[in-house]
Amino acid sequence: GQQLNQSPQSMFIQEGEDVSMNCTSSSIFNTWLWYKQDPGEGPVLLIALYKAGELTSNGRLTAQFGITRKDSFLNISASIPSDVGIYFCAGDNTNAGKSTFGDGTTLTVKP
Amino acid sequence: DTGVSQDPRHKITKRGQNVTFRCDPISEHNRLYWYRQTLGQGPEFLTYFQNEAQLEKSRLLSDRFSAERPKGSFSTLEIQRTEQGDSAMYLCASSLSTEGYEKLFFGSGTQLSVL
Repeated sequence: GQQLNQSPQSMFIQEGEDVSMNCTSSSIFNTWLWYKQDPGEGPVLLIALYKAGELTSNGRLTAQFGITRKDSFLNISASIPSDVGIYFCAGDNTNAGKSTFGDGTTLTVKP
Repeated sequence: DTGVSQDPRHKITKRGQNVTFRCDPISEHNRLYWYRQTLGQGPEFLTYFQNEAQLEKSRLLSDRFSAERPKGSFSTLEIQRTEQGDSAMYLCASSLSTEGYEKLFFGSGTQLSVL
């Protein structure tokens, strides 16, 4: 089946630094999604991307849908302590909410 | 609106027992999803409903698992004869189906531990 590979698995950064993480797939997706999950909570959607090459921002977050439709990246600028959590990419070809998730990038921000 | 609500938040059971979880979606949402998440991994799709109809079930959903959404509002997920491998976070999500991609709103999950 479809698999998403996220890298890095974990990151330890200083407050104020920029962060970049990415996600690759062996197959193409029509929609790429980025979620954040805090401990003990469900994932929360950060950004949704619908077109190859699309670049979308949400505050300090920027994500891009790769031209090949097999990859996506997420950047966080000027990180703050509340950015701590697990970031998941997900791909969807169904438009019916049946997404395939990666295994996450765990972000730790040191004040 | 308080978002997607799941109950209980935590459940500890002995192997072989049956367990049932409940999910209350956002009130105007017509689609409801169940996902399972194990430690260190992303959520995996299990099944979804549009109103009261169960439209799809993943191969991950063995015959010990059954989900219902009797009146198109809340949903229950039952696991019969639990096994240690069933230990996971069970996440419910809801959405309002429209054209194009649907934004999923997840609940906080039910953490199941099978001893």
